[in-house]
Amino acid sequence: DIQMTQSPSTLSAFVGDRVTITCRASQSISNLLAWYQQKPGKAPKFLIYKASNLERGVPSRFSGSGSGTEFTLTISSLQPDDFATYYCQQYQSYPYTFGQGTKLDIK
Amino acid sequence: QVQLQESGPGLVKPSETLSLTCAVSGASISSSDWWSWVRQPPGKGLEWIGEIYHLGTTNYNPSVQSRVTISVDKSKNQFSLRLTSVTAADTAVYYCARWGGGMDVWGQGTTVIVSS
Repeated sequence: DIQMTQSPSTLSAFVGDRVTITCRASQSISNLLAWYQQKPGKAPKFLIYKASNLERGVPSRFSGSGSGTEFTLTISSLQPDDFATYYCQQYQSYPYTFGQGTKLDIK
Repeated sequence: QVQLQESGPGLVKPSETLSLTCAVSGASISSSDWWSWVRQPPGKGLEWIGEIYHLGTTNYNPSVQSRVTISVDKSKNQFSLRLTSVTAADTAVYYCARWGGGMDVWGQGTTVIVSS
């Protein structure tokens, strides 16, 4: 299985801050990476596919980059609605695997 | 607008079989998409369980492969998850999702507790 490792596990930030979450794969996954946002008690929300493509309706303050084994999710200016847990997921090979999550909370 | 809705028992006894259904509305399950199951134990991260294509092709996570079956019912526009010989480790919120280059549509999730 491909192991996905996110850092940091938790991140505290202010509204308006620029934040970056990193996701590393245990082997190359090309650009076959997705990002999700999850709020407590809710299903995950699909944000980004193929590492850098924004899903329709996702605000442009979200962006993704990377290829191979290292990827980032950046939020350019944090809004109150962005405080949540974020997960990366590889879909280069089965079984699809998720990172352990990064909890983003308000400082 | 595509919507998914999970249903099934919220409590299953150890060693018994967990059975869940995901009803699809707003889209045909016979479309060119894969249909997935994901679970999330309490306070933990997401685990992909497996997926099915409408023609019946399946892919499963080896962690549950010997116990899991995902099937599709085109007449009801739904797909199902069956997990046998459950233990407390199978206690989780179970989500169904559509795979469209990413899991772009999710059900709201259903909690399944394994306990006697």
